[in-house]
Amino acid sequence: NAGVTQTPKFRILKIGQSMTLQCTQDMNHNYMYWYRQDPGMGLKLIYYSVGAGITDKGEVPNGYNVSRSTTEDFPLRLELAAPSQTSVYFCASSPLSAGNTIYFGEGSWLTVV
Amino acid sequence: KQEVTQIPAALSVPEGENLVLNCSFTDSAIYNLQWFRQDPGKGLTSLLLIQSSQREQTSGRLNASLDKSSGRSTLYIAASQPGDSATYLCAVGAAAGNKLTFGGGTRVLVKP
Repeated sequence: NAGVTQTPKFRILKIGQSMTLQCTQDMNHNYMYWYRQDPGMGLKLIYYSVGAGITDKGEVPNGYNVSRSTTEDFPLRLELAAPSQTSVYFCASSPLSAGNTIYFGEGSWLTVV
Repeated sequence: KQEVTQIPAALSVPEGENLVLNCSFTDSAIYNLQWFRQDPGKGLTSLLLIQSSQREQTSGRLNASLDKSSGRSTLYIAASQPGDSATYLCAVGAAAGNKLTFGGGTRVLVKP
């Protein structure tokens, strides 16, 4: 029963490098999300998707890009990493109805040095 | 812009005591409100989901209330146990999709 799977779990990047955080879900959920959580803070929405081929910006999209070519996958791309992107990143998914429970992955810890 | 606040940021109680966690939000036009538990180094686990038309939800020792007009929700955990030690976050859902605005969380320690 995999649910939402994120990789990698931990990564250290140098300033200016790029990388992709992978996220896949096996629950056939339409909605997928990327959040970031800074130390001692709540989560902030980066990007979300309501279905394959459809993405939209959240509260803090600058410095990130996403794509949604399949229902299962929702990768998050960091271009030109900056120290301000040091954070924990969470991918999540939920069924079509907005009233349903949201399921989170276990997080990806990213440090930019 | 919706803002969600959780006070206090941290709470320590002896085992057996009831826990009361508070969440306030600025815009009462919400679709739903959810409470989550987060263990150190882990993702979030949904505890309770309250639709905007509901006043409360219960699951086992957990009870969450919602008062939209005053912009408040309260999570009650009865007879706390050391295993309840975690960070509890509330999040408010907007009308479109399930985009959530999170509070900063309350870190709970239940001492044996």
